[in-house]
Amino acid sequence: EVQLEESGGGLVKPGGSLRLSCAASGFTFSRYSINWIRQVPGKGLEWVASIDSSGRYIYYRDSVKGRFTISRDNAKTSVYLQMSSLRAEDTAVYYCARRELDTGYGYFDYWGHGILVTVSS
Amino acid sequence: EIVLTQSPGTLSLSPGERVTLSCRASQSVDSNYLAWYQQKPGQAPRLLIYGTSSRASGVPDRFSGSGSGTDFTLTIGRVEPEDFAVYHCQRYGGSPMYTFGQGTKLEMK
Repeated sequence: EVQLEESGGGLVKPGGSLRLSCAASGFTFSRYSINWIRQVPGKGLEWVASIDSSGRYIYYRDSVKGRFTISRDNAKTSVYLQMSSLRAEDTAVYYCARRELDTGYGYFDYWGHGILVTVSS
Repeated sequence: EIVLTQSPGTLSLSPGERVTLSCRASQSVDSNYLAWYQQKPGQAPRLLIYGTSSRASGVPDRFSGSGSGTDFTLTIGRVEPEDFAVYHCQRYGGSPMYTFGQGTKLEMK
């Protein structure tokens, strides 16, 4: 069974840092791109960052470039999101999601349950 | 940047009714790269439709997707009680790499 489980969320002050982890199991982790997607409670979804299977190709949305860093450890079947210089507008539930492999159509076939990050003084 | 606009924001209907949700893109989208998700309160999104019209594994056939260019729709043939949720459309490609609509909430009348 494919599973993705986020951890590391919590309350942090503006300007602070936080590291999210996404632990994966139930599939050949090293073959898949993993993404972070966030959602302000009651609002829509917003893609944040993407890392390809090897860790070589990394992409961010503009609003987090220079502040967030995505990385992965294929031996530990985990992906990380290091978040720094956090702002109130980064407050959201953060999901890790697996991008499907077979079609190349760029959709997310499995999601974690999400973890809340609150940026507040 | 391609923007996806979903309408209406909220739909109120009764079980058994047929419903069509709209997702309009600000620029033409390759139909391969359009997907739909269902999200229930407190849960992660669940993939329903990919490539505009292909149902994901385990998705009932009352769910169908269609569209091309800038206009895409998700139709639920006969709404069941478990279908009341928020529905999100999503596209891949360009900048940012992935974009979601703001969601349509299906609520029970």
